Amino acid sequence: GAGVSQSPSNKVTEKGKDVELRCDPISGHTALYWYRQRLGQGLEFLIYFQGNSAPDKSGLPSDRFSAERTGESVSTLTIQRTQQEDSAVYLCASSQDSSGNTIYFGEGSWLTVV
Amino acid sequence: SQQGEEDPQALSIQEGENATMNCSYKTSINNLQWYRQNSGRGLVHLILIRSNEREKHSGRLRVTLDTSKKSSSLLITASRAADTASYFCASILGMGKLIFGQGTELSVKP
Repeated sequence: GAGVSQSPSNKVTEKGKDVELRCDPISGHTALYWYRQRLGQGLEFLIYFQGNSAPDKSGLPSDRFSAERTGESVSTLTIQRTQQEDSAVYLCASSQDSSGNTIYFGEGSWLTVV
Repeated sequence: SQQGEEDPQALSIQEGENATMNCSYKTSINNLQWYRQNSGRGLVHLILIRSNEREKHSGRLRVTLDTSKKSSSLLITASRAADTASYFCASILGMGKLIFGQGTELSVKP
């Protein structure tokens, strides 16, 4: 597709289970971002990939969170042993590079931990 | 802490009125971007203004940037009920990390 695609759109999981969220960036975009947004809050930076450089993981809240990216393509955000506080929308975004081009967002994956 | 901070946090106006939202940031930037978000889902890019620009227009939107004050404003003229949304400013730190403020929740009443 033409835009950033995220799946699943909605996920309900039991506390303690692992979840994987997927992001397909716009083709050709070398930069990819993950953000978390809790209900009624702003966007919280999680992780940033740029080409083959080491990712900026400075926003990951705990070692339960990890993300991978296959080349300049798909990225997966994994949350292990989910907690209720992990309930949020997880937004992925991509841009052509890191030089300040427009950043395009997917529709997000809404995670509910019960 | 967040790079950008918007004010007001919430704004309620009548249809046809203008809406002004402000954003302040803390460190030097290459550009500042404004986004709109409906119902807590994906963000839609509105305008990107570069650090060497002072004002930019797009339809009913006008964005200004004052790098000496580290602030930006977004003006929506002749507002419509469909403009009801949350509006965020964002700036890029370092090697491309885009940092958002907490947003302004705009409500336009018909």
